[in-house]
Amino acid sequence: QLVLTQSPSASASLGASVKLTCTLSSGHSNYAIAWHQQQPEKGPRYLLKFNSDGSHSKGDGIPDRFSGSTSGAERYLTISSLQSEDEADYYCQTWDTGIVVFGGGTKLTVL
Amino acid sequence: EVQLVESGGGLVKPGGSLRLSCAASGFTFRTYTMNWVRQAPGKGLEWVSSISSSSTYIYYEHSLKGRFTISRDNAKSSLHLQMNSLRAEDTAVYYCARGGVVPAVIGAFDIWGQGTMLTVSS
Repeated sequence: QLVLTQSPSASASLGASVKLTCTLSSGHSNYAIAWHQQQPEKGPRYLLKFNSDGSHSKGDGIPDRFSGSTSGAERYLTISSLQSEDEADYYCQTWDTGIVVFGGGTKLTVL
Repeated sequence: EVQLVESGGGLVKPGGSLRLSCAASGFTFRTYTMNWVRQAPGKGLEWVSSISSSSTYIYYEHSLKGRFTISRDNAKSSLHLQMNSLRAEDTAVYYCARGGVVPAVIGAFDIWGQGTMLTVSS
């Protein structure tokens, strides 16, 4: 079964960096995923996508402070030079034929 | 400007029906898979349904199949979700989102609308 696992919460200080993790279920370690940000009371916003070949690409207008990396079944979203507006929920998304799966989301608090 | 604008939300009694719409602009709508995602109050994102560019491939979250129907009008760059036999647990903000361009591959959701709220309550 295709599942994405995220930690429910994370926190980091203003100006620091934070690395959020999204883990693909067993047998799905090479799947493409996308990261989305949802600020309070707003709709989601696409940040970046990891392709199945390990390459990744960012959405239009996404600051360089947002970057991605991968290791095995784990997909990471790193946010550097944290700003107050980065306080948000972060969701990862994957897909297969006939199905889309979202992770449970990570609530990021900027201290 | 690439944009998705949802409409049609509101208050509906249990057992009722509602049709949501999503108006697309700023991109070639007919080439993209389109999707509906919902978010119950205080909860995470939940995929609802996807439809390929020519409506050849249509997918639903398993538990919703039979009550919800997705459709699109490429001539009008619009996406729709017909929802029947509504239940309290369908209460959520419903988002329209753009997917990929490869038929049968849903893809990353790279454009989102602002959402429309559906409340199912007596």
